[in-house]
Amino acid sequence: NAGVTQTPKFQVLKTGQSMTLQCAQDMNHNSMYWYRQDPGMGLRLIYYSASEGTTDKGEVPNGYNVSRLNKREFSLRLESAAPSQTSVYFCASEKRDRSYEQYFGPGTRLTVT
Amino acid sequence: GESVGLHLPTLSVQEGDNSIINCAYSNSASDYFIWYKQESGKGPQFIIDIRSNMDKRQGQRVTVLLNKTVKHLSLQIAATQPGDSAVYFCAENSGGSNYKLTFGKGTLLTVNP
Repeated sequence: NAGVTQTPKFQVLKTGQSMTLQCAQDMNHNSMYWYRQDPGMGLRLIYYSASEGTTDKGEVPNGYNVSRLNKREFSLRLESAAPSQTSVYFCASEKRDRSYEQYFGPGTRLTVT
Repeated sequence: GESVGLHLPTLSVQEGDNSIINCAYSNSASDYFIWYKQESGKGPQFIIDIRSNMDKRQGQRVTVLLNKTVKHLSLQIAATQPGDSAVYFCAENSGGSNYKLTFGKGTLLTVNP
């Protein structure tokens, strides 16, 4: 049981390039989330998917798109990367039964030059 | 929107002492609170949670206290160990159909040997 996995672990992009961050969970959780974490700040929600087939914007969605490919996978795409998107990106999943506990992946450290 | 905040951004304690990390929240509709620990280079890990119908909840070496009157949450760590050194985040969920956790900015706990 790997929990939440993210690929890649590190990525450097030039301004204007595109890329997709991959996330998968093997816990059969319904909800999945993408956050970004900047120095000295907490986690800010980019997009979330309450269940397979649905996605919704979070606090900072501009410049990003998401796809809930199936129950296991939730990807985050940057169509045209900007330096302001330099951050650490975390994916999380949540079963949503008796608690709202979210399980986090190890993160992707993205630098846009 | 309403947000969760922390009183102290950094806390330094001696090994073996008890640690108290504080958090203020402003959304009186929040009915669930959670504490996460984040070690350097890793994703956040669940520590303990509490619902608004409780004042106190204990785990292994950790206790969360909730004071709804003043909208204050605290995490107490007993006999703090070097392995407890990390950033600690509180988060809240306002319940209902809201699938989102709102995170505070975090407190850095440093344990001195």
